[in-house]
Amino acid sequence: QSALTQPRSVSGSPGQSVTISCTGTSSDVGNYNYVSWYQQHPGKAPKLIIYDVSKRPSGVPDRFSGSKSGNTASLTISGLQAEDEADYYCCSYTGSYTFVVFGGGTKLTVL
Amino acid sequence: QITLKESGPTLVKPTQTLTLTCTFSGFSLSTSGVGVGWIRQPPGKALEWLAVIYWDDDKRYRPSLKSRLTITKDTPTNQVVLTMTNMDPVDTATYYCAAIVGATTFDYWGQGTLVTVSS
Repeated sequence: QSALTQPRSVSGSPGQSVTISCTGTSSDVGNYNYVSWYQQHPGKAPKLIIYDVSKRPSGVPDRFSGSKSGNTASLTISGLQAEDEADYYCCSYTGSYTFVVFGGGTKLTVL
Repeated sequence: QITLKESGPTLVKPTQTLTLTCTFSGFSLSTSGVGVGWIRQPPGKALEWLAVIYWDDDKRYRPSLKSRLTITKDTPTNQVVLTMTNMDPVDTATYYCAAIVGATTFDYWGQGTLVTVSS
């Protein structure tokens, strides 16, 4: 069960947009529309920000959006704000036996 | 309002068994489709899913740790217990429990508990 591949870090200036990629395989990201994204601030628990590829839980700003193409899912954050600086993890369903796999995480720096 | 909280020892010795309890409120494990999962995060590293238990007692384990993990639920008391045997220093991590409302997504998370494995 190999982790999904994410860039280790991305950065952007306030107001800009950034996209974080999450690459898996045809056994996980490519086979199911069950990709989720989590935001984690230092010392805090992760928080769900995107589920089922592109759906946002109540209370999550629409600046956060998700998409998928083939074996790669993406999280786009538009109108970057200082509070968006955090680690972001993707997660994909992998079937009933292995359940889910997380990505290695991406550190977002707001310049 | 859904809340979860992990409890258990902060320090365990190598080879010992770790027992963690997740106490939750705001939902019930008697509700169809609902589950509770455990996820850990070694210091400075990524999240790693460990186990999940659903309302119907269906259980899933991380394949590489399956022989060491047991997850159980106590529906009336709103608790889920994870045991991990033969603890090793590499198991040092913050352990989180999380509510699964949408079948495969960790919708709500506890604050986490740091477990250190050291002699």
